[in-house]
Amino acid sequence: QLVLTQSPSASASLGASVKVTCNLSSGHSTYAVAWHQQQPEKGPRYLMKLNSDGSHSKGDGIPDRFSASSSGAERYLTISSLQSEDEADYYCQTWGTGIQVFGGGTKLTVL
Amino acid sequence: QLQLQESGSGLVKPSQTLSLTCAVSGGSISSGGYSWNWIRQPPGKGLEWIGYFYHSAGSYYNPSLKSRVSISADRSMNQFSLNLRSVTAADTAVYYCARAPSTYGSGSGALDIWGQGTMVTVSS
Repeated sequence: QLVLTQSPSASASLGASVKVTCNLSSGHSTYAVAWHQQQPEKGPRYLMKLNSDGSHSKGDGIPDRFSASSSGAERYLTISSLQSEDEADYYCQTWGTGIQVFGGGTKLTVL
Repeated sequence: QLQLQESGSGLVKPSQTLSLTCAVSGGSISSGGYSWNWIRQPPGKGLEWIGYFYHSAGSYYNPSLKSRVSISADRSMNQFSLNLRSVTAADTAVYYCARAPSTYGSGSGALDIWGQGTMVTVSS
């Protein structure tokens, strides 16, 4: 079964960097994922697509502060030079034949 | 720039059918290679994929909702629709439509354009 697991919360200081993790279920380590940001009281915003080899393609207007990487079954979203507006929920999403799957989301707090 | 806009009834009575439409502007829903998705988010909870329509392969649904949901497209109106039957309070959520470039032949892929969402409350 295709499942994505995320830590419920993360925190980092203003100006620092943070890495958000998404774990693919066993047997699905080659799957690509997409990262989405949801700021408070807003709809989700597509950030980027991340492949298993670490290559990624960002959505329109996504700042260079947002990057991504992969290692085995783990997919990472890294945000550098944290700003207050980065405080949001971050969701990973993947897909298979005829199915789309979301992780449970990570709530990022900027201290 | 493609844009999506959800519309429909914001209040539905229990046991009735929830019906929403997603209007597509700045592009054509008939463009090949994209699936047209519905996602929902109950208050205070995470995102749940409901299903999608893909012209080349028909509709696919979340197995947990499959018995109650249907998604179809109207090319002449450049929109796609969601019908969810026999609703209960558990179906209260913000409903989003989104586009995904198809990665596999079945239409699934990264959701790269989202609508702003519409709140639907199920209550008598």
